[in-house]
Amino acid sequence: NAGVMQNPRHLVRRRGQEARLRCSPVKGHSHVYWYRQLPEEGLKFMVYLQKENIIDESGMPKERFSAEFPKEGPSILRIQQVVRGDSAAYFCASSPPTLWNEQFFGPGTRLTVL
Amino acid sequence: AQSVTQLGSHVSVSEGALVLLRCNYSSSVPPYLFWYVQYPNQGLQLLLKYTTGATLVKGINGFEAEFKKSETSFHLTKPSAHMSDAAEYFCAVSSVQGAQKLVFGQGTRLTINP
Repeated sequence: NAGVMQNPRHLVRRRGQEARLRCSPVKGHSHVYWYRQLPEEGLKFMVYLQKENIIDESGMPKERFSAEFPKEGPSILRIQQVVRGDSAAYFCASSPPTLWNEQFFGPGTRLTVL
Repeated sequence: AQSVTQLGSHVSVSEGALVLLRCNYSSSVPPYLFWYVQYPNQGLQLLLKYTTGATLVKGINGFEAEFKKSETSFHLTKPSAHMSDAAEYFCAVSSVQGAQKLVFGQGTRLTINP
């Protein structure tokens, strides 16, 4: 059984470019969560999505960041016009609809902004 | 609002010694509590969780944690450390009420000395 897949594992962007991070949840999981881990810090919640719906985006920066989880395909976290402060590890987690309190994490995407 | 405090960003123990990683939480509603482990350049793996019922929870790799409501604590222990336990450990809180996001502590880096 495949776990949560994230790609790319490493992403380098220059300031002002766009970053697209992809997350494929565990098969059968309909809930996806994105977290950000800044250097030397714990994970911070960003957004919680179900298929085609954003349920909780209270942790998302107000500008430049967006997320989607379409009916078909992976969840996408999109960062427009990246800045150096966006450099971090971005983790995706998924959970099944009936066991939301057990979140399975992917290996993360490490974004470096030059 | 919920929060987690992990006492000690770095803990070092000798191989075979007791491991104790401290976690205190704040929550205005009954909490769900979690311990995750993160190995270098990997995602988070669930060690154990407390939702309801027995307050002493056993997890993988010989770890256990005890929920103490009066002390608002959920400390992680292992009787005898192994070299393979060297990793970063995160305590997290959530609840059945409201948002399903996990709120993480800052993490504790565990080093095992031979």
